[in-house]
Amino acid sequence: GAGVSQSPSNKVTEKGKDVELRCDPISGHTALYWYRQSLGQGLEFLIYFQGNSAPDKSGLPSDRFSAERTGGSVSTLTIQRTQQEDSAVYLCASTKGANSPLHFGNGTRLTVT
Amino acid sequence: TQLLKQSPQFLSIQEGENLTVYCNSSSVFSSLQWYRQEPGEGPVLLVTVVTGGEVKKLKRLTFQFGDARKDSSLHITAAQPGDTGLYLCAGFNTNAGKSTFGDGTTLTVKP
Repeated sequence: GAGVSQSPSNKVTEKGKDVELRCDPISGHTALYWYRQSLGQGLEFLIYFQGNSAPDKSGLPSDRFSAERTGGSVSTLTIQRTQQEDSAVYLCASTKGANSPLHFGNGTRLTVT
Repeated sequence: TQLLKQSPQFLSIQEGENLTVYCNSSSVFSSLQWYRQEPGEGPVLLVTVVTGGEVKKLKRLTFQFGDARKDSSLHITAAQPGDTGLYLCAGFNTNAGKSTFGDGTTLTVKP
């Protein structure tokens, strides 16, 4: 498929463990966003990658959260020492350019027990 | 600081009724998008508006961008249960350099 792909679709982990979430954006899309969404809520911005520019990390809630984008394509969001409040759906979106509509994946549902 | 405020936050109506959802800001946006999200899926783009005063129609949905490009509305005529979902507006602000989302409006249309 040509859409944004996220894996895993579901992840259950124990409190204190590290998790890594993956996003495969649409080929050729230069910008990539990560959002967090709690049940029935809106989107909480986490981090934004645009081309070769330094990422906008202003939305990361703590230093336990980090993300990287290798080769301008695949991105991974890492959460260290997970806490129960980290439980949410993590959405990734890519876009052709900064001012273009976003194409979303179906998200990773993270549950921290 | 929430750049975009949506209202109402929740809306529950009967099939066949009309409704309007609002997206307001004090900032100017060079473009604004509306998305719809269903459970278990990511948001899907409905429309993009770029010109102040622009009106776009998508079947029973009418989207309007304010003259000053600070606000927008989504009007649904004769709502159907299939319209149920979370509606999100998002604007691209040049100063912020990225898209910003509103908090969303959860719409439930009862048969």
